[in-house]
Amino acid sequence: EDQVTQSPEALRLQEGESSSLNCSYTVSGLRGLFWYRQDPGKGPEFLFTLYSAGEEKEKERLKATLTKKESFLHITAPKPEDSATYLCAVLNSGNTPLVFGKGTRLSVIA
Amino acid sequence: DTGVSQDPRHKITKRGQNVTFRCDPISEHNRLYWYRQTLGQGPEFLTYFQNEAQLEKSRLLSDRFSAERPKGSFSTLEIQRTEQGDSAMYLCASKGEKGTQYFGPGTRLTVL
Repeated sequence: EDQVTQSPEALRLQEGESSSLNCSYTVSGLRGLFWYRQDPGKGPEFLFTLYSAGEEKEKERLKATLTKKESFLHITAPKPEDSATYLCAVLNSGNTPLVFGKGTRLSVIA
Repeated sequence: DTGVSQDPRHKITKRGQNVTFRCDPISEHNRLYWYRQTLGQGPEFLTYFQNEAQLEKSRLLSDRFSAERPKGSFSTLEIQRTEQGDSAMYLCASKGEKGTQYFGPGTRLTVL
């Protein structure tokens, strides 16, 4: 059974204090690893897709990386508007629906 | 492209009542997914459609839940005889030929 574990559950940063969120996964043949951002009371917003180990994607202050066992979402010099829950999900080779982790709740304090 | 839309955004109902939610996917997307999300958890898969065909159902989808996608366009999710445990955010997502699912804003259900 595919599993996704995200850590930490919650993270509190000062504005400008860079950090990383972790997503560990076990999956039967990875077809894709996805990062989403979710604001309270809203649906997840797509950020990145990673397909193979060694791949990296960047968008503004966010950078996602992938190894064979885990993915990291690096946040450089975060701002208060980066506060949200960040969700990681995997898609396996059987093309079954996404399996999500519980998310990391990020708070960035000015 | 107006994105995935869901209606209503919020629904409050009494235990035992039936409720129906609607999802309009991105127009060119042939796959449509329903998920349920409770507080502090990630979305959990319920069911999905490719065009009008319902291809997979989760064991979370009890007999009280039914979903349809007539004509392969919008989809409805109905919950019969609601229970307090059905209180959650119900999310819809659509996907085209590439692997990314795009989510709607969700419908927040509260069962009193």
